[in-house]
Order: sequence, then structure tokens, then C-alpha cells
Amino acid sequence: EIVLTQSPGTLSLSPGERATLSCRASQSVSRIYLAWYQQKPGQAPRLLIYAASSRATGIPDRFSGSGSGTDFTLTISRLEPEDFAVYYCQQYGSSPWTFGQGTKVEIK
Amino acid sequence: EVQLVQSGAEVKKPGESLKISCTTSGYSFTSNWIGWVRQMPGKGLEWMGIIYPGDSETRYSPSFQGQVTISADKSINTAYLQWGSLKASDTAMYYCVRRGAAVIPLDYWGRGTLVTVSS
Repeated sequence: EIVLTQSPGTLSLSPGERATLSCRASQSVSRIYLAWYQQKPGQAPRLLIYAASSRATGIPDRFSGSGSGTDFTLTISRLEPEDFAVYYCQQYGSSPWTFGQGTKVEIK
Repeated sequence: EVQLVQSGAEVKKPGESLKISCTTSGYSFTSNWIGWVRQMPGKGLEWMGIIYPGDSETRYSPSFQGQVTISADKSINTAYLQWGSLKASDTAMYYCVRRGAAVIPLDYWGRGTLVTVSS
């Protein structure tokens, strides 16, 4: 099973700042099978990024993904108030699919 | 518009059985995999398993193999998650999710079904 480790656990930033979230895999992940999700309190997660760097439908371009192999990054270029949430990475190329433990982006 | 509508919250006692549902619309039910994700209170997301309604092929995460059963009824565009004997540790929110086409993963999510198991 591929273990995904996200860092940091919590990121405290102000609106307008840049957020950089990391997802490290215990073994190589094909970049076409790495995704990022956003979850706000009381809501279901929603897909942000798939195939490491492709934005899902309706996702603003301030969200971008990058990386390959075992290291992947989600970047939010300028935080908007609605971006404060928990973010999860997921690999779906190797069974069983697995999620990282999440990074909470909170208002500083 | 793609929709995944989940059944309502459940309160059960340990040892009881339960079957929750996810009714889909807005796309061809037999053309996409449907999966289930668990989220225990205050915790992260856990992948449980997935079914292809077209032929009922089912795959489980080892952590959930033998603990739950995933099924689908293509005549009513509905997927199910069931337990034979609930434990307190099954208390969680359960999301049904649709696997997208090609390299797109979980593109549509239900709102979740909260299952509470308590004596």
C-alpha cells in the first residue's frame, strides 16, 4: 500500500498569501494518478486537481499542482477567504487507492 | 447534471445490520465506477472500495475487505454499502463517490451519510 504523507499538518496564512502544500509518497506514483481535494467544514470534499496538474472543472487558476515520482505539490497562488479548508492528496494508480492525512490551511 | 443522493443518517446499536444507499442521476450509471469513502469523526478520508455497475466487478481496500459489502442495482441506478454486524468503530460519515473517465478520479461526491453506532 502506498502511504501518502502531507506536510505541514497546519498552515497558518493570511488572505492574499501564497500557500504551498506537500504530498510525499512512500513509493513512486504515476503522475497521471495523483489528485488533490478540498474539504470545508460540514461539506463533502471536492476535486481540485487530477493527473498531478490538471484543474478539475470550475476550479480557479490560482490552484495549481506539480510534481512527479514521490513528491507532489499543491500551490494556491493568492489565498481567498473561501480557500481556508483542509486539503487531501490521493493516489489512484495503485490498489488500494490511498489518501494523505490532510493539511489544514487556516487564517492567521 | 450529475447527482449522487445518499440515504439519511442512521443510528444503530452494535451488532445490528445496515445498508445505506447512493442513488445517481444525470449520467449513465453503468459507465462509471462508484466508490465509498469513510471519514471518522474529526479524521481524514479513507478509501473503502469501488464497484463497476456495468458488470458488478468490485474491489475492496484490504482494510475493509470482509467488513463491508458494496453492491449496485443498475435497474434503479443505486449503489449500496452494507454491514452485517456494526461496531462502535463504524461510527463515521460515509461518502459515495463517482470515478470519472480516463485519468479523472473522484469527480462527484454525495453529501454523505452519517452512521452512528452506540449502545
